[in-house]
Amino acid sequence: AQKVTQAQTEISVVEKEDVTLDCVYETRDTTYYLFWYKQPPSGELVFLIRRNSFDEQNEISGRYSWNFQKSTSSFNFTITASQVVDSAVYFCALTDVFSGGYNKLIFGAGTRLAVHP
Amino acid sequence: DTGVSQNPRHKITKRGQNVTFRCDPISEHNRLYWYRQTLGQGPEFLTYFQNEAQLEKSRLLSDRFSAERPKGSFSTLEIQRTEQGDSAMYLCASSRALGQATTTEAFFGQGTRLTVV
Repeated sequence: AQKVTQAQTEISVVEKEDVTLDCVYETRDTTYYLFWYKQPPSGELVFLIRRNSFDEQNEISGRYSWNFQKSTSSFNFTITASQVVDSAVYFCALTDVFSGGYNKLIFGAGTRLAVHP
Repeated sequence: DTGVSQNPRHKITKRGQNVTFRCDPISEHNRLYWYRQTLGQGPEFLTYFQNEAQLEKSRLLSDRFSAERPKGSFSTLEIQRTEQGDSAMYLCASSRALGQATTTEAFFGQGTRLTVV
């Protein structure tokens, strides 16, 4: 069975602090995708990144960076120099890959990030 | 076409009534997904369509739930004889299958928040 665990329920930081959101996953599949989504108060999930299981290179996009470690089944997300606009719930998700492409995403419970001025 | 659109945004209904939600995906997307999100949890997969064909249904989708995508464009999700436990955010997402083995990432709508009183 597939499972995603986000152990941090809520994190509170002051603006300009760096913050890391943890994600640990379980899967028996050898080929899978990992995702991060942001859910602001408006409700829609905003896609941030997709990573496939064969690509363990870390990725940086502006203030965002992701650390994928297959050995520990983790896909952590770091926001550098956080801003108030980063306040949202962040979800890590997993899907398997098979003929027909990936379909359903398995989400973690989310981490609520509050960035204070 | 600016994204996935869901209507209504909010619905309050009395227990036992039927409700129907609509989702309009991004126009070139042939895959459409329904998820349910309860308070403090991540979204849970309900079902998905490729064009008009419903290809997978979760065990969460009881007999009281039915989803359709009659012409491969918009989709409806109907809940019959609503129960208080159906209160949740219902999220729709869409993606484009690029062939057998892959799809684009899923883009989500803002959801329909259902409250059963």
